[in-house]
Amino acid sequence: QVQLQESGPGLVRPSETLSLTCAVSGGSISSSDWWSWVRQSPGKGLEWIGEIYHRGNTNYNPTLKSRVTISLDNSKKQFSLNLTSVTAADTAVYYCARGADETVQGIDPYYYYYMDVWGKGTTVTVSS
Amino acid sequence: SSELTQDPAVSVALGQTVRLTCQGDSLRRYYATWYQQKPGQAPVLVIYGRNNRPSGIPDRFSGSSSGNTASLTITGAQAEDETDYYCNSRDSSGHQVFGGGTKLTVL
Repeated sequence: QVQLQESGPGLVRPSETLSLTCAVSGGSISSSDWWSWVRQSPGKGLEWIGEIYHRGNTNYNPTLKSRVTISLDNSKKQFSLNLTSVTAADTAVYYCARGADETVQGIDPYYYYYMDVWGKGTTVTVSS
Repeated sequence: SSELTQDPAVSVALGQTVRLTCQGDSLRRYYATWYQQKPGQAPVLVIYGRNNRPSGIPDRFSGSSSGNTASLTITGAQAEDETDYYCNSRDSSGHQVFGGGTKLTVL
């Protein structure tokens, strides 16, 4: 089955760029899925960062949009997160995840989105 | 509104039934998805869609929805269910949003 593994520096200096990669194994990165980044600051809840569709479309959290870029490399079966101008507030565990959109057809259609595969997470500390 | 609101903490007696709720405007069009997260671990999908459970999730977990409120019900809560639960959906702009999480205590 599909497995995800995050990698990247565990320590980033303030004002620099945080760069993480998520390797996809056991399945295709080109299927009809969304590939997401989610983070969790110490003692806090989950925060969605953004996502990229297998065709390259992206969605970003409006609060982070100006600093975030997510890209996908089909040949390497990985997707990446770049977060610029980091501060201590960006210290967190960063997770990558695979997601999918579904529609329940009907007179009044309903939609749902779920992330069924998650990486174990990687801790990134922003500090000088 | 693009927010999802959860009760910060809920408690339940061992073996009893507990319902965790998630409120938000987006839930009038999107079913909530529920994740369980144990300390130091990645979130685990427990309920998605109308009331779907991934393989390996016990059938004591179920989901429901009414209006702008989604619920995760645990029927016969076990000690191992004591942990954090998060709801999630897309908002009207297509962005994802998480609830603040509920810390469940099993007494």
